[in-house]
Amino acid sequence: DQQVKQNSPSLSVQEGRISILNCDYTNSMFDYFLWYKKYPAEGPTFLISISSIKDKNEDGRFTVFLNKSAKHLSLHIVPSQPGDSAVYFCAAGVHARQLTFGSGTQLTVLP
Amino acid sequence: EAQVTQNPRYLITVTGKKLTVTCSQNMNHEYMSWYRQDPGLGLRQIYYSMNVEVTDKGDVPEGYKVSRKEKRNFPLILESPSPNQTSLYFCASGHRPRGAGEQFFGPGTRLTVL
Repeated sequence: DQQVKQNSPSLSVQEGRISILNCDYTNSMFDYFLWYKKYPAEGPTFLISISSIKDKNEDGRFTVFLNKSAKHLSLHIVPSQPGDSAVYFCAAGVHARQLTFGSGTQLTVLP
Repeated sequence: EAQVTQNPRYLITVTGKKLTVTCSQNMNHEYMSWYRQDPGLGLRQIYYSMNVEVTDKGDVPEGYKVSRKEKRNFPLILESPSPNQTSLYFCASGHRPRGAGEQFFGPGTRLTVL
């Protein structure tokens, strides 16, 4: 039973437009949510996080939104750039002990 | 340079032949963990360690062992590898209190078990 789901395996967006990546979770105990980005042949790199006491966190072009009632997390990238093309994983954890990852979404930003 | 290193990067082995994948970090992080990545399944946690001599099972620990005798090292041991352990493995570390949150990942080890 997947506790963290990314239902879109892939997403294509035009350069300069907004990319919206979505993630749903089922475990209401999760208190910390993150997004990681992964390029081929590299390990994932941390992108942005949000705790369960907030509903929005921004870092430059990246914004994460948390809707606890819907158990839904999203990552907005504005404006999208070709260098953003990568696999994006959402993850959720409890008390900073374990992380549960989604299956990933391949984002392709078209020039 | 702050980094997590894994060795080997690529390994082909046969069923039943014990192997160890090493992981080392130079950031003085308390938290370390191992993940495997499989198509369609994302990253699944195998084991994690909150500090020296403290280890715990993740979501898929069967067939694996770990040890944390020193802060910087967290080796992954496959006592009797089987083909279903063919995967891409990542080691990661993080600083408490975030711990499992903002982790730094190694470059990965591609393991094939024949």
